[in-house]
Amino acid sequence: GIQVEQSPPDLILQEGANSTLRCNFSDSVNNLQWFHQNPWGQLINLFYIPSGTKQNGRLSATTVATERYSLLYISSSQTTDSGVYFCAVSTSSGSRLTFGEGTQLTVNP
Amino acid sequence: DGGITQSPKYLFRKEGQNVTLSCEQNLNHDAMYWYRQDPGQGLRLIYYSQIVNDFQKGDIAEGYSVSREKKESFPLTVTSAQKNPTAFYLCASRGQNSPLHFGNGTRLTVT
Repeated sequence: GIQVEQSPPDLILQEGANSTLRCNFSDSVNNLQWFHQNPWGQLINLFYIPSGTKQNGRLSATTVATERYSLLYISSSQTTDSGVYFCAVSTSSGSRLTFGEGTQLTVNP
Repeated sequence: DGGITQSPKYLFRKEGQNVTLSCEQNLNHDAMYWYRQDPGQGLRLIYYSQIVNDFQKGDIAEGYSVSREKKESFPLTVTSAQKNPTAFYLCASRGQNSPLHFGNGTRLTVT
């Protein structure tokens, strides 16, 4: 099956800093999503982005499908951005989504 | 409001007992999924269903069973054959060419 690798595994920032999270995948995809898991375990859909660039406030994402990676940018980070960020993908051959291991982000005040 | 409801939020069981986790959605989504998450880990797919009365095993289906008798409902049974059932269980659904949406999860503790 498809392999999904996220980097870095852990990231510690001071409030106000910017960061870039990366997701590499091993096959062509027809769906890619970025999720934020908050400290209570809720998974919030950030972006549905199989290709191209999207922005939502301080967050933006870019997927370069031909090179098999996606980037999540967080600008002017806040303590509420802390949590785990997951990338998930599915291939054209099926509907199942495979998750990466996540990036644990800690934003300190 | 449309969404995915998982119940209960916390569940405690004795070893050797089967337990069923509920997942209901009113988003009119065809596909539904069950994932398991262990502390500090990613999400692993247990079972998924793309249509009523049909479902497929995911990566860690052993010790679990599901049914899909209605479009809105996709219950997961954790059987006594599951060696390490204590975990956080997440249900999700999605429509055709649309994002995956999650419920709030059920934390199962088996002692």
